[in-house]
Parts: sequence; C-alpha cells; structure tokens
Amino acid sequence: RKEVEQDPGPFNVPEGATVAFNCTYSNSASQSFFWYRQDCRKEPKLLMSVYSSGNEDGRFTAQLNRASQYISLLIRDSKLSDSATYLCVVSVTGGFKTIFGAGTRLFVKA
Amino acid sequence: DVKVTQSSRYLVKRTGEKVFLECVQDMDHENMFWYRQDPGLGLRLIYFSYDVKMKEKGDIPEGYSVSREKKERFSLILESASTNQTSMYLCASSTGTGDFAQYFGPGTRLTVL
Repeated sequence: RKEVEQDPGPFNVPEGATVAFNCTYSNSASQSFFWYRQDCRKEPKLLMSVYSSGNEDGRFTAQLNRASQYISLLIRDSKLSDSATYLCVVSVTGGFKTIFGAGTRLFVKA
Repeated sequence: DVKVTQSSRYLVKRTGEKVFLECVQDMDHENMFWYRQDPGLGLRLIYFSYDVKMKEKGDIPEGYSVSREKKERFSLILESASTNQTSMYLCASSTGTGDFAQYFGPGTRLTVL
C-alpha cells in the first residue's frame, strides 16, 4: 500500500463546477499536511496547509480527518486556470520525511 | 515571498561527466532537499540537509552526493552521469519549525546523452 494515495484522475469539469479531491495516508504519526499545485513542466507550488479544524482560502477548502487518515480539497467555481495536477503531501518527523502523492490531474473546460 | 533558485533550467551532459546542480534559497531556511521527478514515479527524495555540513540520504541516493557549505546553498553532484539520471531535478527548502511546508525552485531538466 502506498503511503499517500490519491485518485489519479483525470477529472474533467466545466467552468463553474465544484470538484473534490481525496487523499488517504497510512502513517498515523503524520504531523503536517499540505496540498500543492503543479502545472505542466513546472515546480510544485504550495496551495495550502491543512489543519485539523479545516481551512479555507477563497474558492479552496481543505479538510483533515485524522481518525480516518484522510485529507480532502474542495474547489468551488472552477476556473480554466485551475487546470493542473494537485499533489497531496504528508510530513512526518519534523518535516524530514515528506511523502508526496502521485497527484490528481484536473482539466477545467470552457 | 520565499525564493528558491536553481543554477540552470536545462542542462545537457554526456555519460561519465561530473555534473553540479546548485540551489540557493533566500529565506534563511534550515532544511534543504533535492528531489527528482520522473513521469509515473512522482517526486523521489535524493538527499536532504537540516544544517550546514549536515546531510542525510533520501530514498534514492545512489549515484549522487551533496554539499552544504553555507546555509543558503545546497549542491547536488552526479559523480559520473549516466543516462538513467536523465530527469527533472527539483530543490526545495523549509523552515526547521512550524508546519515544515517546502518551497521549490523552478527545477533543472537534465539530459544525459
């Protein structure tokens, strides 16, 4: 079983749609959680950290369920510019062991 | 904003050459990392460093070495480049406190012929 698992997609959605990505992790000692965005042939960029209480940044909402070892990302009112690969990332032991999921590909169409 | 820079965006080398990839961060981060990213394999950690002159092996250190003589600079060295080291190389840095989010440089696409 992979340490961080994501649905690879691709997700094809129309502009304005709401889309949700899920991610599960296997190490119960995981301490920090993130969503990154990666555009084609570019570096991953931090989208948001994920906190136990859940957090929101504009159209993006992240949730963490430690009991189920599950992280989610919700994108509302999708834009064409949201088309990218979204990476679920989990850190253990003070950030030295960071596991990147394989990513979920999103295509937003006009 | 955190800025992580890498010495080259594209690099072409020949088999057997010694290759140096340099990474510099301007945020006084304690931790620095080198990854490679290949299609279908995702990001894989080569080495990381949590302090000057300190280094730890990641998941795939074979064929690579690193150097961290100054806090802001972390170098990846391919002692004798091979074709299977053709890849995208990404450097990242993070603080030693807080949530340890990593910030990436733009990457170096290395081709070994």
